[in-house]
Amino acid sequence: SNVLTQPPSMSVAPGKTASITCGGDKIEFNPVHWYQQKSGQAPVMVMYYNNDRPRGIPERFSGSKSGTTATLTISRVEGGDEADYYCQIWDEDTAHVLFGGGTKLTVL
Amino acid sequence: VQLVETGGGLVQPGGSLRLSCAASDLTVNNNFMAWVRQAPGRGLDWVSLIYTGGTTYYADSVKGRFTITRDDSKNVLHLQMHDLRVDDTAVYYCASFITNSPDGLDYWGQGTLVTVST
Repeated sequence: SNVLTQPPSMSVAPGKTASITCGGDKIEFNPVHWYQQKSGQAPVMVMYYNNDRPRGIPERFSGSKSGTTATLTISRVEGGDEADYYCQIWDEDTAHVLFGGGTKLTVL
Repeated sequence: VQLVETGGGLVQPGGSLRLSCAASDLTVNNNFMAWVRQAPGRGLDWVSLIYTGGTTYYADSVKGRFTITRDDSKNVLHLQMHDLRVDDTAVYYCASFITNSPDGLDYWGQGTLVTVST
């Protein structure tokens, strides 16, 4: 069973805002990182330590965390944002890297 | 930074394979490194990681069968896989952690496909 829960899919119209959630008890005490994976490509980090954006990631991408839920928000969604998105934490208790199940974002 | 995985291929159940990850503009023994895999049509699945000091950790599904090592002289990360199973079939990525702690993974290779089948 996956201890990080993401919605399997979501759809959003261009120009609108997409909010992708990641829930789990372990989120409350651990920083959350996010990855974008486009079809046939390797994952790319789009957010780290909850709300830090790597160099080259547009400001339209932002992250937040409250309690046991982390959220990746993509503002002014573009067609190029269509991808799978994964959240991830380091679980100190088990010494395991944990990934969420992924959310497939479709741009209508 | 460039990470290039090699060594994937077709192997029968019970067989062995060694994956390699050659790093450029990144020193493997100065970074926490990891292997992550992705079965066809599935999500990301962490496999193993190695600290700069050499401490290693493994996912429960591969513990005792896979071994992560480094060749510091060649700046290469390896994943030795034994007793391969059909459900080990996946694209295997190597990746580096953003800091010297097992947090976010900032650099990823393009992956190498391992197929376990008769």
